[in-house]
Order: sequence, then C-alpha cells, then structure tokens
Amino acid sequence: QKEVEQNSGPLSVPEGAIASLNCTYSDRVSQSFFWYRQYSGKSPELIMSIYSNGDKEDGRFTAQLNKASQYVSLLIRDSQPSDSATYLCAVPPPHSGGSNYKLTFGKGTLLTVNP
Amino acid sequence: GAGVSQSPSNKVTEKGKDVELRCDPISGHTALYWYRQSLGQGLEFLIYFQGNSAPDKSGLPSDRFSAERTGGSVSTLTIQRTQQEDSAVYLCASSRGLAGTYEQYFGPGTRLTVT
Repeated sequence: QKEVEQNSGPLSVPEGAIASLNCTYSDRVSQSFFWYRQYSGKSPELIMSIYSNGDKEDGRFTAQLNKASQYVSLLIRDSQPSDSATYLCAVPPPHSGGSNYKLTFGKGTLLTVNP
Repeated sequence: GAGVSQSPSNKVTEKGKDVELRCDPISGHTALYWYRQSLGQGLEFLIYFQGNSAPDKSGLPSDRFSAERTGGSVSTLTIQRTQQEDSAVYLCASSRGLAGTYEQYFGPGTRLTVT
C-alpha cells in the first residue's frame, strides 16, 4: 500500500458547490495531517492542519479526520474559480512513530471549479 | 514576518556544472527541509535539518547532492556535475521545530533546468 494516496482527478465542480477531496494513509500511528493547496507554477501553501478525530473548520474549508479508517478529507464549501488548484495531502511517513519532522505528500488532486 | 525565501528563482545550467541553491527560512524556525518536485510529479523529500544538523539525509538521490546549514538559518543545497534528470523545482520549507507544531511553510522554489 502506498503511504499516501489521493485520487489524481481532475475533480470538476460548478461554482458554489461543495468540493470533496479525499486522502488515505498507511501508518496507523500518524498523529498530524496537513492539506496544502498548490496553484499551477507555484509552491504549496498550507491551508489546513488537523490532529484529532472529527472535523476542523476554517472559513469555507473543513478538514475531516478518521484515524480508525485512516483517511482524511477536505471539504470546500461554496467553491470559487479561485479554488482551482492541486490539493496535496501530507502525513508523516510510515513507521515514524508519530514524529513528523518529515512529511510524505500525496500526488495531489487537481480541482477545477467551473464558473 | 517574512516567509521562506529562495534564490535564485530560476537557474539554467549546462550538464556537468555544479549549482548552489539557497534557502532562507522563516526567522525563528529551527527545522528546515528540502524537497524536489519534477514536472507532473509529487513532492520528493531530500533532506531535513534541525538546527545545523541533518538527522535525515535519506532522500538525497546520489552523492552528487549535498546540503549544509549554518548558524541555524540559511541552507545551501549543492548539486555537483548536474545531469538532465536533476531538472526540477527545488523547494525549501521551514517549521518551528517544536513539539506539537509541525506545520511546514514553503518558499517559492528554485526552478532548475539542466541543458
């Protein structure tokens, strides 16, 4: 099993809809999880971090973590064309004992929000 | 304060030449990371510094790659005898390096092209 898996997309949603991005990871002891947004030709930008099971909301973004099922998701409400980007999930690598000085990134999901 | 800065933003070099890439982390961040992102590929971890020490060099692809960090601040990634497969965007990130705070913030990257 790959360490971090994401659907590469592209995921296309209409403006105003909810975009749902998913990520699964292999290491059960992972303690922290991150979502980055990367616009074409730009570097990744941290948009959400989540450490505990459940939901974490920040503006239009909600991160959902389910450690038992080993997945983390990102919901974007009221999607805007400016949300069009690649979204990267990042988790500590397997067998790191939960220490997360180094992150393993998924390959990202390309989201397109259509006006 | 200022974010992570990298220089140069673009570097074109001939095969076989050496290059140096520089990273200036966020002030006060003790942890510094180098990643590489090839066209259409995910982020590949290269090396991590905590202070001036590099406890994890496992991602360096060959002995042509080396990195150092001085004064717990600026880091330099050196690639000797560059090859065409070294062409990529080299990204630097920093984090506070304190227990419980692992968010990594990326610089704008250096786009390296080996001709």
